[in-house]
Amino acid sequence: QVQLVQSGAEVKKPGASVKVSCKASGFIFTGYYIHWVRQAPGQGLEWMGWISPNSGDTNYAQKFQGRVSMTRDTSISTAYVELSSLTSGDTAVYYCARLPYDPGPFDHWGQGTLVTVSS
Amino acid sequence: DIVMTQSPDSLAVSLGERATIDCKSSQSVLYSSNNRNYLAWYQQKPGQPPKLLVFWASTRESGVPDRFSGSGSGTDFTLTISSLQAEDAAVYYCQQYYTTPRTFGQGTKLEIK
Repeated sequence: QVQLVQSGAEVKKPGASVKVSCKASGFIFTGYYIHWVRQAPGQGLEWMGWISPNSGDTNYAQKFQGRVSMTRDTSISTAYVELSSLTSGDTAVYYCARLPYDPGPFDHWGQGTLVTVSS
Repeated sequence: DIVMTQSPDSLAVSLGERATIDCKSSQSVLYSSNNRNYLAWYQQKPGQPPKLLVFWASTRESGVPDRFSGSGSGTDFTLTISSLQAEDAAVYYCQQYYTTPRTFGQGTKLEIK
């Protein structure tokens, strides 16, 4: 079955960087775009961008331009999102999600990774 | 960016009653060449990721109970739960995938009265 399994919770200090992983199984990793969405505590869903695991092409939300990087390692079917220059406003649960076709909805989601930014 | 606005922000409905959530987009998400609305609905329960319920505005995802239905076109959409069950208590989000950036509504919290 389709699964997206994310890395564990992280605690970072302001100004640091964090890298979250998303390991895919149950489908051909290079056949589906992976998107990243975050959710601050008690808040709604915020789209961050996508990566094509096949080509490595990326598209980032303007808000995160310059401090976000999405990468992938096809040998282990894993996508990554790295966010730098963290502030308390980046405290959130970060989700990866699969796009079954483009454009399309997100049909499978990772379990989420809580990133806490605190001094 | 397309702004998605849901109403109400929260509602409480009795078991077995109908629940209705509205979603309005700031511009049409109907693609005229294929007559499809690029609109999805998700359900999110505490501590869980969102779950896809409806896509193309009215197509139910596999395995989703038929008490959930989506309707609407262009800029105005509705998610209806025909007979509320206890397990339907959750936050519901609409999302447009017509264009990038993908955007979500602010969410509607559905409680059992």
